[in-house]
This record gives sequence, C-alpha cells and structure tokens, in this order.
Amino acid sequence: AQKITQTQPGMFVQEKEAVTLDCTYDTSDPSYGLFWYKQPSSGEMIFLIYQGSYDQQNATEGRYSLNFQKARKSANLVISASQLGDSAMYFCAMREANTGNQFYFGTGTSLTVIP
Amino acid sequence: NAGVTQTPKFRVLKTGQSMTLLCAQDMNHEYMYWYRQDPGMGLRLIHYSVGEGTTAKGEVPDGYNVSRLKKQNFLLGLESAAPSQTSVYFCASSRTGSSPQHFGDGTRLSIL
Repeated sequence: AQKITQTQPGMFVQEKEAVTLDCTYDTSDPSYGLFWYKQPSSGEMIFLIYQGSYDQQNATEGRYSLNFQKARKSANLVISASQLGDSAMYFCAMREANTGNQFYFGTGTSLTVIP
Repeated sequence: NAGVTQTPKFRVLKTGQSMTLLCAQDMNHEYMYWYRQDPGMGLRLIHYSVGEGTTAKGEVPDGYNVSRLKKQNFLLGLESAAPSQTSVYFCASSRTGSSPQHFGDGTRLSIL
C-alpha cells in the first residue's frame, strides 16, 4: 500500500483564490510527522509546513495551512490568496518515528496559478 | 550561505561504471539523506544517516552504498551503474528527524 497518496496530478487556481491540495497517508506508527514541500520548475525542494501527529492544532505558516484530520489520515495543504509564484509541484511527505526515521513522499500535485 | 551542496550537478555514465556523489552541508545537521526522483514517482529514500559514522537503508537501497565518515559529508556510491539508476538524486539534511529537511540542488545522472 502507498504510504502517501496525492490523488490530484494537476490543479488550476485563479490568482488570489484559495486552493486545497489533498494528501492522505497510511501508517500504524503512533508517532509521525507530515511535511509539505514545494518544487518550482527550477528543481529545488522548498519546505513549506510541518504537522506532528501529536500536535493539537493545525499548523500554519503565512499563506500555508495544513488541514490535519487524524482520524481520516489526511493532511491537506491549503494555500490562501494564490500568487503566480505558487505555480509548482507540491509534495506531501511523512516521517515514521518508530521505524527508523523512514521518509515517504507522495507523487506530487502540479499547481498552476492562472492570472 | 551554502546550505547543502551536491557535487557534481550533471554526469553521464556508461553501464558498469562506478561513481560517487558528494553531499556537503554546513549547518551542523545530524541527519542526512539521499533520495532519487523519477518522473511520476516523487522522491524515494535511498539511504540515510542519523549521525557521523552511521548509515541506514531507506526504501530503495539496492545498487547503492553510502558513507558518513565526517558529519558534514554524506557520500552516495554506485558500484556498477545500471540504466535503471538514471534519475535525479537529491541530498538533504536536517537537525533532527522531525525537523524540516534542507535539500541540495540535485544531481542529474544519466546511465547509458
């Protein structure tokens, strides 16, 4: 089974609108962390936001927020007020703490912001 | 402001050749990682290290070896390159296992 599933290969959003990128995960480890990374066309990987499995509140970082629904095993990224520079690939990732720090990435979602 | 530096940035090998990719970080991070990124498959963890002198297998370790003799360096070796190892390789480092990873710019490796 896939550890991280991103079901949206491509998404479009109008500039200044909000967009949600979906991520579901599969783990039996009670201690885990969820990450979102952005990869622009230039290729570098940029960290966006982190949510720990024991965190009570949803993580927020500027225009990024993580909609963490533990029971549903989902960790969706919400980008508010989209900008043209947000056009990129977005990857959801998970770290399992009790299996030796294994990291798993999803296949990514390509986001295009339309002017 | 170097962060994580990968050497080389591009390389073309013939099947059966060997090579070593170098990753260097100047942030005094304990954890270092090697990933490969293939089209449509996201990043997959090859090997990682939780400190100087330690290494561990990731999701796709076969055909690769690593060494972490110094805290700041993490080497990825291909003993006998195969076309299936054509990929973009990323190195990353983090302060702890739950800290954000800082990535290098990647190495594009083609094996003919």
